[in-house]
Amino acid sequence: DGGITQSPKYLFRKEGQNVTLSCEQNLNHDAMYWYRQDPGQGLRLIYYSQIVNDFQKGDIAEGYSVSREKKESFPLTVTSAQKNPTAFYLCASSIEGLGSPLHFGNGTRLTVT
Amino acid sequence: GENVEQHPSTLSVQEGDSAVIKCTYSDSASNYFPWYKQELGKRPQLIIDIRSNVGEKKDQRIAVTLNKTAKHFSLHITETQPEDSAVYFCAASPFTGGGNKLTFGTGTQLKVEL
Repeated sequence: DGGITQSPKYLFRKEGQNVTLSCEQNLNHDAMYWYRQDPGQGLRLIYYSQIVNDFQKGDIAEGYSVSREKKESFPLTVTSAQKNPTAFYLCASSIEGLGSPLHFGNGTRLTVT
Repeated sequence: GENVEQHPSTLSVQEGDSAVIKCTYSDSASNYFPWYKQELGKRPQLIIDIRSNVGEKKDQRIAVTLNKTAKHFSLHITETQPEDSAVYFCAASPFTGGGNKLTFGTGTQLKVEL
């Protein structure tokens, strides 16, 4: 069953700690993305990757880091430098190219206290 | 960069009525405009999209129109049903020579009342 898996569903961390969110896909998609969803602000792009070992900053990359060592995996690290890390994080993948639908994971809700 | 504005933020209609959600974009280079639906507690899913070389596209009860001159596009849902209740996001993407980098609107919460 093809799809995109995010884990965990809920994540709690103390302020000052780095935390890594997992995203795995078995759709054989080249492109992967991380979005942040906050109430009333839609989905904002954090980072995206069009190919293994390459990634680009999105609109709100500050305080986040990513890696793309494997085609299937695109983990997101929320660092202590991110001022407002509590949010709902969505990972997505797509076939490379304009107009390819994004396939989203179920998301991870991160709460930092 | 691209900026997408979406209105209204909430929309309540009676079952069977039509619903219209409007978006404007800023980057004249944008040429791909998808709409995503996110039901409560679920992941966003693509429901319809349109490219800049087309003015209108329909899929059963859903249609999208695009006015490139005015830089706005709209989602039309006819004969609304309770299962249409969800948050709808518009998005725009400029052609950058590669990639599928979408800028999303802030979303419209549609409620279809019985």
